[in-house]
Amino acid sequence: GENVEQHPSTLSVQEGDSAVIKCTYSDSASNYFPWYKQELGKGPQLIIDIRSNVGEKKDQRIAVTLNKTAKHFSLHITETQPEDSAVYFCAASKGSSYKLIFGSGTRLLVRP
Amino acid sequence: DTAVSQTPKYLVTQMGNDKSIKCEQNLGHDTMYWYKQDSKKFLKIMFSYNNKELIINETVPNRFSPKSPDKAHLNLHINSLELGDSAVYFCASSQDLNNSPLHFGNGTRLTVT
Repeated sequence: GENVEQHPSTLSVQEGDSAVIKCTYSDSASNYFPWYKQELGKGPQLIIDIRSNVGEKKDQRIAVTLNKTAKHFSLHITETQPEDSAVYFCAASKGSSYKLIFGSGTRLLVRP
Repeated sequence: DTAVSQTPKYLVTQMGNDKSIKCEQNLGHDTMYWYKQDSKKFLKIMFSYNNKELIINETVPNRFSPKSPDKAHLNLHINSLELGDSAVYFCASSQDLNNSPLHFGNGTRLTVT
């Protein structure tokens, strides 16, 4: 089955710097790659997603890149702000939301 | 106007008890889920329920049973609670099963003593 690895497990950056979180997946048939942000005491919230027919997607300060050949995808946050501090999860699935496999999470801390 | 709401937010109970967690979504979605998040933050699918079809993760003990009175509700019933059941349980919904984004509730923290 699918396996998703996520790195780093923790990331500390200065406010205004960029943050990059990387994930690799094992199943080359996976075609949907969402990213979720989980704030303390809340459920994960979708922040951006990308499908396998696209190599890059951007939404304001957030961007995701996908390399299907290498089977990895990354989340890029520019001009980080303290409110970006949270746990971020990558995920991958092939065709069904039920088969969505999550990475182990990255705790991002943005220092003021 | 909470999209996915679950109750209670906290649940503390003793081993051997039976408990239920309720979930409701007002998004008009066709599919609902239950996820378990352990102390290391790993998120694992437990069930999905779509148009009266239940898909069960085979690793989930049969002490856990989802119950859906209608499309907007998916409750989780747990029998004979064990210490290892302590975790945060998240309800979620999506438009359908076709790689649709998940909308999560804010979780129920279950502590079994």
